[in-house]
Amino acid sequence: EVQVVDSGGGLIQPGGSLKLSCAASGFSLSSYEVNWVRQAPGKGLEWVSYISRSGSTIHYADSVKGRFTISRDNAKTSVFLQMNSLRAEDTAVYYCAVGASYSDGTTSYVWFHPWGQGTLVTVSS
Amino acid sequence: EVVMTQSPGTLAVSPGETATLSCRASQSIGSNLAWYQQKPGQAPRLLIYGAATRATGIPVRFSGRGSGTEFTLTISSLQSEDFVVYYCQQYDNWPPITFGQGTRLEIK
Repeated sequence: EVQVVDSGGGLIQPGGSLKLSCAASGFSLSSYEVNWVRQAPGKGLEWVSYISRSGSTIHYADSVKGRFTISRDNAKTSVFLQMNSLRAEDTAVYYCAVGASYSDGTTSYVWFHPWGQGTLVTVSS
Repeated sequence: EVVMTQSPGTLAVSPGETATLSCRASQSIGSNLAWYQQKPGQAPRLLIYGAATRATGIPVRFSGRGSGTEFTLTISSLQSEDFVVYYCQQYDNWPPITFGQGTRLEIK
């Protein structure tokens, strides 16, 4: 069965750091682009970050740029989201979302499938 | 940034009937649009990509159409499990990848 497993969430004080992990079973994550998408309580979906298959291309939402870092391990079997300087407004369920995509040679067009079950990050004192 | 606007925010339809959800992009995105369904407490699930292509395992009563700036998701023969929240997402002009604010489908 194809499955994405995201983990690492928890309760953290404002200004603190947390590292989320994303792994896959039933397929190799190394073959795919990976994204993080978050959802604040009772709110809609917000794209957070993207990493290409090779790890050479990375993008962030403006709301997290300079505070969050996405990365892949050397074997590319896991993807991480290092979150620093956390704020109350970062409180959300964070989903790892594998990128299904096509490319026209210069641009990658990415939608999300499959998704992890989500991991809750709560930033509060 | 491409702003995605979904309408209506909440749609009330009777079981067995047809629901039509709309999504508008602030600029042309071609056919680079996906639709997701989210049930309470669950991750979103891909329904449609490329504006009109059903994802694997998605019933034929879910259909998408549109291009440019105007898109629709139509759900026919509504079943009880369909009354949840739906999001559209553009992936044409990014970063950032952007979502609509969601449409909640409720039982009339």
